[in-house]
Amino acid sequence: DVKVTQSSRYLVKRTGEKVFLECVQDMDHENMFWYRQDPGLGLRLIYFSYDVKMKEKGDIPEGYSVSREKKERFSLILESASTNQTSMYLCASSPNWGWGYTFGSGTRLTVV
Amino acid sequence: QQQVKQSPQSLIVQKGGISIINCAYENTAFDYFPWYQQFPGKGPALLIAIRPDVSEKKEGRFTISFNKSAKQFSLHIMDSQPGDSATYFCAATNFGNEKLTFGTGTRLTIIP
Repeated sequence: DVKVTQSSRYLVKRTGEKVFLECVQDMDHENMFWYRQDPGLGLRLIYFSYDVKMKEKGDIPEGYSVSREKKERFSLILESASTNQTSMYLCASSPNWGWGYTFGSGTRLTVV
Repeated sequence: QQQVKQSPQSLIVQKGGISIINCAYENTAFDYFPWYQQFPGKGPALLIAIRPDVSEKKEGRFTISFNKSAKQFSLHIMDSQPGDSATYFCAATNFGNEKLTFGTGTRLTIIP
């Protein structure tokens, strides 16, 4: 069964901490995405990557960075967590020339 | 910039009824329109998708209706069941663009 795995379901971090959210896919997909999901705002794209070491800003990249050193792994980094980054974070992957996103189950991050 | 507008934000339908969720888009270059279904605690999963060369696509109880001139598309769930209770997202993209633009989501509740 193909899968996108996010390392944590729930995280609680303190303001100012550096936070790493990890995502791994086993489908050999070229593209990987990080979204945040907030009530009433839907899914907003933070960053995406179309190849190893390649990245592109999405709609709300401020306060975030990403890393993709291997094809199967895409990390989201909050350099200095703030309370307005409390949210559900969803990772997704897709193949080239296909728009079937596969999402992970999400990481609910709370910044206190 | 909100390019895909989804309504309603929430919807309550009686078991056996028809659930209808609407989306409107602005970008005339969009040529692929998927719908995603998300259950609590899970990531969104692809439900059904349509290309603009057809006006309707049906898969079981789920139907997408597409109106190219009005730049609108909708999801119809026939004979709605309690197991259909979930959040539904419409999305859109165009050929060559690996990124999906999502609507804000509709929380559907089917009551007995």
